[in-house]
Amino acid sequence: EVQVVQSGAEVKKPGESLKISCKGSGYSFTNYWIGWVRQMPGKGLEWMGIIYLGDSDTRYSPSLQGQVTISADKSIGTAYLQWSSLKASDTAMYYCARLGRLHDAFDIWGQGTLVTVSS
Amino acid sequence: EIVMTQSPATLSVSPGERATLSCRASQSVSSNLAWYQQKPGQAPRLLIYGASTRATGIPARFSGSGSGTEFTLTISSLQSEDFAVYYCQQYKNWPPLTFGGGTKVEIK
Repeated sequence: EVQVVQSGAEVKKPGESLKISCKGSGYSFTNYWIGWVRQMPGKGLEWMGIIYLGDSDTRYSPSLQGQVTISADKSIGTAYLQWSSLKASDTAMYYCARLGRLHDAFDIWGQGTLVTVSS
Repeated sequence: EIVMTQSPATLSVSPGERATLSCRASQSVSSNLAWYQQKPGQAPRLLIYGASTRATGIPARFSGSGSGTEFTLTISSLQSEDFAVYYCQQYKNWPPLTFGGGTKVEIK
């Protein structure tokens, strides 16, 4: 089965660091891009950035660049989203998703990782 | 950045009726347009790509049309499981990949 599976929910304090993960399976993950999408409480989908597992080519949303770091370990088919200093406004559901080969739509989605930042 | 605008924000429809959702791009995206469905507490699911091609396993009651800047998602006969939020997304020019704000389809 083709799937991407994300790490579990996190509760953090402002100023703490965090790294969440997204692991692909059932497909040749080095041939695909994995993107990250934020959904703040009660809001819509916001694209954050994307990484190509084959060579770690990474692109960021201009509005979020510098606020997060996207990385990957192709040997284990896993992409990461990282914060060095969380803020309360980072509280959201974060989805990873695979970009299709024939089109640039997200065809396989992870289950989401809920990040709660609260003092 | 290409801005995607969806309308209406909320659509009230009775089961069995037809639903028509709109998505407009701030500049031409050709047919590089996808539609997603998101139910409460779930991840989004790809419905349509290439503006009109159904993704694997998507029922035929879902259809997409349009090109350039104007797109439509039609659900021919709403089933109970179709009440959800629908998003369009362009992938003509990225980064960034951009989503519309969503249309909530609710029971009338």
